[in-house]
Amino acid sequence: GAGVSQSPRYKVAKRGQDVALRCDPISGHVSLFWYQQALGQGPEFLTYFQNEAQLDKSGLPSDRFFAERPEGSVSTLKIQRTQQEDSAVYLCASSPRQGANTGELFFGEGSRLTVL
Amino acid sequence: AQRVTQPEKLLSVFKGAPVELKCNYSYSGSPELFWYVQYSRQRLQLLLRHISRESIKGFTADLNKGETSFHLKKPFAQEEDSAMYYCALKMTSGSRLTFGEGTQLTVNP
Repeated sequence: GAGVSQSPRYKVAKRGQDVALRCDPISGHVSLFWYQQALGQGPEFLTYFQNEAQLDKSGLPSDRFFAERPEGSVSTLKIQRTQQEDSAVYLCASSPRQGANTGELFFGEGSRLTVL
Repeated sequence: AQRVTQPEKLLSVFKGAPVELKCNYSYSGSPELFWYVQYSRQRLQLLLRHISRESIKGFTADLNKGETSFHLKKPFAQEEDSAMYYCALKMTSGSRLTFGEGTQLTVNP
């Protein structure tokens, strides 16, 4: 596909369950971002990868959140022991540029997580 | 810390009327400002960025450093402009975007 692909599109989890969200960026894009978007809010930064290196994880809300991009392409965001406040849309975005020159971001459709 | 404020959550105008979506920011350095748009059932996408100084779909935005604003304007709104609009800021040395809360624009026929 031509765009950023995310799966699953929808996920319902019981409180305490672990979830894994996948992002397949545009081929060749070196930069990859994860954002969290709560209902009625703008996207909030979680973490940034440049190739396989996680250069910024300052936005991860707790140590229950973990992200990886082991081969510099596909990325997985994992949330352990989910809580109701984790309910949100998780957006992945990629860019062909890196660092301060990332410029335009290309977003996926998001993964909507609902924690019961 | 940097912050982006969009004071209007909802904005409704009639077709053909001018529209202005407000965006104010706080950042001590020289920011890069963007407007992103999300049409119904579509993904978030870039509308324009201040360094390009171009008009996209009839929209323009001027960075006013004195007023720390980056308002989005269009002289004649169209029904297809109905969407959620997000203003976003990137710091000079950073890579992340800081988004505002968004403004839902509805253009009525």
